[in-house]
Parts: sequence; C-alpha cells; structure tokens
Amino acid sequence: AQTVTQSQPEMSVQEAETVTLSCTYDTSESDYYLFWYKQPPSRQMILVIRQEAYKQQNATENRFSVNFQKAAKSFSLKISDSQLGDAAMYFCAFTLNNAGNMLTFGGGTRLMVKP
Amino acid sequence: EADIYQTPRYLVIGTGKKITLECSQTMGHDKMYWYQQDPGMELHLIHYSYGVNSTEKGDLSSESTVSRIRTEHFPLTLESARPSHTSQYLCASRDSGLPPSGNTIYFGEGSWLTVV
Repeated sequence: AQTVTQSQPEMSVQEAETVTLSCTYDTSESDYYLFWYKQPPSRQMILVIRQEAYKQQNATENRFSVNFQKAAKSFSLKISDSQLGDAAMYFCAFTLNNAGNMLTFGGGTRLMVKP
Repeated sequence: EADIYQTPRYLVIGTGKKITLECSQTMGHDKMYWYQQDPGMELHLIHYSYGVNSTEKGDLSSESTVSRIRTEHFPLTLESARPSHTSQYLCASRDSGLPPSGNTIYFGEGSWLTVV
C-alpha cells in the first residue's frame, strides 16, 4: 500500500516571501504520479501542480514549483512571491499509473500568509 | 476548472432523515469517487466507481450507499442520517487519458452536511 506523509500541519509565510511545503511518500512501484492540491476555506479543491515519476525535470506552474527527489521519495512544493490568496490547506497526493488506482492523500498542511 | 458539480452545497437535516447528495460531471470520465473530509482534516475515500453499474467501497467504512446508472451521475445516499454523518463530502472524477491531463482527479465544490 502507498502512504503519503506531510510532516508540517501548519506553515506561515510573509507575503512576497518563499515557502516550501514538505511531502514524502512510500511505494515500491516506479510508475506513478504526484500532485499538490490546494483547498481554500469552504472552497473547491483545485489542482496546483502535477509530476510524472518518469520525468526527471521538476514541474513548474508560474509561482509554484516542486522538488521531486525520486530516490528519496520526496515531493516538496515551493511557493514563490507568496500572495494572500495562497492561504489554504495544501494536500500532497499520489496515484499509481494504473487505470483503477486511487488517489492517496497526505494529511494536509495549512498555509497562512501574513500581510 | 473542471466541470463537476455537487448539490446541495450546504444542508442541515434532522436525525433519521434520508438524504441524497448529487454529483454530476460533464467530462465523460469513467471513474468517480466520493471522499469524506472533516474540516481541516485529511480526505478519506468512502466510495468509488469504475464506470456504469460499478460501485466499490473505499478505505473508510461508511453507512452511505452510491449508484452509477449513468456515466455522468454518481449520487450518494444516506438512508437514515445521524449526527456522526456531519462532514463535508467531496465528489471527484478522474481523467484516464494521456498526459498532460491523464490520471488527474478533479473535485467538485463539496457538500457540507450537518445532521442535528
């Protein structure tokens, strides 16, 4: 079974600064996908960024980038130039590249952005 | 933004009432999921479906039931609601296509259920 661990229940960052959210996972498989989802308070869960395990290049989406370390089974999210609208719960998630497999979530990290 | 919709968004009902949470997606996704999430907590998979007439129970035991008669529709029903059912219920569907979108799961806005 796969597991996803987010060791930081809460993080805080000053507006315009950079913050890194940690995520580790455990799997014996080699073909999988990793995701970061953002869930603002009482709002829809939205996809922030995704990474295919077969790709060595780290994914980037504007101010969001990941540091994917496959050997270490680490998948951290870096948010640059933090904005007030970035405040939310962030969930790291894992799925095998298998048509039937589920998405396994970490416990989430609450990010607070200070003005 | 994904085309997946949940109704009602917010509901307060009395103990013992029957409730159905609706979920519809217009993306033609075969795979759909229901997650239960308490505020600020992790998500727990309670039901999933691989396609029409396919339903399976997830990791977290739930007294709810689901049906999948049409590809686009995946309703969740509680026959007799209890206060312990108070939670947020998130519906999701999965794109099984090729990258870049393949294997991405899209979520609805959630249904907040309070049983009093």
